[in-house]
Amino acid sequence: DSGVTQTPKHLITATGQRVTLRCSPRSGDLSVYWYQQSLDQGLQFLIQYYNGEERAKGNILERFSAQQFPDLHSELNLSSLELGDSALYFCASSLGGAGAGNTIYFGEGSWLTVV
Amino acid sequence: QKEVEQDPGPLSVPEGAIVSLNCTYSNSAFQYFMWYRQYSRKGPELLMYTYSSGNKEDGRFTAQVDKSSKYISLFIRDSQPSDSATYLCAMSGPGTGTASKLTFGTGTRLQVTL
Repeated sequence: DSGVTQTPKHLITATGQRVTLRCSPRSGDLSVYWYQQSLDQGLQFLIQYYNGEERAKGNILERFSAQQFPDLHSELNLSSLELGDSALYFCASSLGGAGAGNTIYFGEGSWLTVV
Repeated sequence: QKEVEQDPGPLSVPEGAIVSLNCTYSNSAFQYFMWYRQYSRKGPELLMYTYSSGNKEDGRFTAQVDKSSKYISLFIRDSQPSDSATYLCAMSGPGTGTASKLTFGTGTRLQVTL
């Protein structure tokens, strides 16, 4: 158990809908990362927050947004869902940033299926 | 060209074999190098963590980094069926301090057979 908690574990929704994925980082970790993993692709970095502020952005679509709250939990909002958004979405956390040599721990993921 | 290249496999070896997994990268700014293991539909689990060039050993696992060649390796000795998983290399940066990310290879699927 990495200590990173993600909910829900699985969800199925229709195209055009909106979903929210939730992440609680490990106790004491200030950085939260979101990654997307599709069947035929590796882990794609979406976005990073540190202590409530956005710090790094990857290939995150405009239909997706995220935030980190004062209690450090984070939410990833996916809207106007398309079939191609079906993927595993991982949250990860670390004490600081990856560039400072901090270990990044991953949650078990939220499996999103868009039908 | 991707920043991190990794042979997707699959790689099938008999139990007890030595496994060699490799990644190449193009960004010389990468400083920290990691190997994660991912079982099917599970979260990646950190196996090895190295900084800059050199070797690091942990039990049956050895990680090597050659920054001059932009090449990293993970060796697994005495491989076991429980080692069957996808192995992902990851590198931190570019970025410093609190603003940074991990860049992953696509992963190599390993199967250790009895």
